[in-house]
Amino acid sequence: GEDVEQSLFLSVREGDSSVINCTYTDSSSTYLYWYKQEPGAGLQLLTYIFSNMDMKQDQRLTVLLNKKDKHLSLRIADTQTGDSAIYFCAEKRIYNQGGKLIFGQGTELSVKP
Amino acid sequence: DTGVSQDPRHKITKRGQNVTFRCDPISEHNRLYWYRQTLGQGPEFLTYFQNEAQLEKSRLLSDRFSAERPKGSFSTLEIQRTEQGDSAMYLCASSGQIGASSYNEQFFGPGTRLTVL
Repeated sequence: GEDVEQSLFLSVREGDSSVINCTYTDSSSTYLYWYKQEPGAGLQLLTYIFSNMDMKQDQRLTVLLNKKDKHLSLRIADTQTGDSAIYFCAEKRIYNQGGKLIFGQGTELSVKP
Repeated sequence: DTGVSQDPRHKITKRGQNVTFRCDPISEHNRLYWYRQTLGQGPEFLTYFQNEAQLEKSRLLSDRFSAERPKGSFSTLEIQRTEQGDSAMYLCASSGQIGASSYNEQFFGPGTRLTVL
């Protein structure tokens, strides 16, 4: 995903908030997604946001979208050790009728007790 | 379990052999996707089916790769004459049709990890 960029690592203490950032380049993105991947497993869809929204909250997760700067973030409140995983952001572009997703490289979140 | 399933979960093969993977999508989903994920990278799109029709293929899908979805339900991905560079996790995902709540969601299976020796 050279068009979707994420920082590679983030380390936080249990109970703190985590903020994972993502930037994308294509202004035609319609939906933006966050997936979680634990070692050796497939991807779990956490949440997604339509491009005309700027915020979405779902329990401990808050997604912020700055469409002008093409910046997406995922905030995890009260981070737990079970949140340790790799988090991928992904975009779907308006001209991709089939809906394929373009993924970033992933951010490895490490939660220390 | 009504999620996406993939079989086998792991496959070890020798260079030059053919391998075939299977994906069973969520039953009411008419769209099915294959992605490939190499170590330390995000998934990369390979191909997409709507019902039984293969509507898009990535340039990553060389002529050694073929995918089918003959009855619009399960799909197979075959790699002929495997090379060491084919070693990766092969992920399948599915999503619902227009109008369904799952239209904009892609749900992934656990993946098939291929190792080519």
